[in-house]
Amino acid sequence: QKEVEQNSGPLSVPEGAIASLNCTYSDRGSQSFFWYRQYSGKSPELIMFIYSNGDKEDGRFTAQLNKASQYVSLLIRDSQPSDSATYLCAGDTGTASKLTFGTGTRLQVTL
Amino acid sequence: DAGITQSPRHKVTETGTPVTLRCHQTENHRYMYWYRQDPGHGLRLIHYSYGVKDTDKGEVSDGYSVSRSKTEDFLLTLESATSSQTSVYFCAISGGQGVSYGYTFGSGTRLTVV
Repeated sequence: QKEVEQNSGPLSVPEGAIASLNCTYSDRGSQSFFWYRQYSGKSPELIMFIYSNGDKEDGRFTAQLNKASQYVSLLIRDSQPSDSATYLCAGDTGTASKLTFGTGTRLQVTL
Repeated sequence: DAGITQSPRHKVTETGTPVTLRCHQTENHRYMYWYRQDPGHGLRLIHYSYGVKDTDKGEVSDGYSVSRSKTEDFLLTLESATSSQTSVYFCAISGGQGVSYGYTFGSGTRLTVV
């Protein structure tokens, strides 16, 4: 079973701080990784994707990928209460047609 | 989400009855997927399709069947609903080269089997 694992949280950070969300994966054949945000009762929405080792920045979000260590992370700078949600990490299965999801990390940004 | 709709949004059904959920897309994407989401298990793939009449099983396909007779429609059928199939069901679509750019999800169907 090819897995993507995340700490379920909740991860609590104060407003304005950096939130760091982590994910590990077991399939060394996985090439692309995705971070989704899911508000309670809503569907997941794509925040970022990353294919290459290193960092990828988009506004307040930075995705990091380390294929040697098989981990992916998402940093959220200047965290806002509106960032409070569950963040899902996903990786492809190597066949370029399916994603495997982690169970998600719940983030709480406190005032 | 724009371009992908699921119906119904909510359904309550009795054990043993067949149920069909519909996913409709207007993006002309090749790939379509059905996932279920349960607490503690996250999103798990039920079935997916890579073209009209081309479908394959996911990790939790037992008790489910699918059909795709048109590019825009992907149907999920619970042959004989059981309480263990109470869940939130999400349809997703992916264009281009498979998952290269990730999925877009529908709004979900909350199914309760009593």
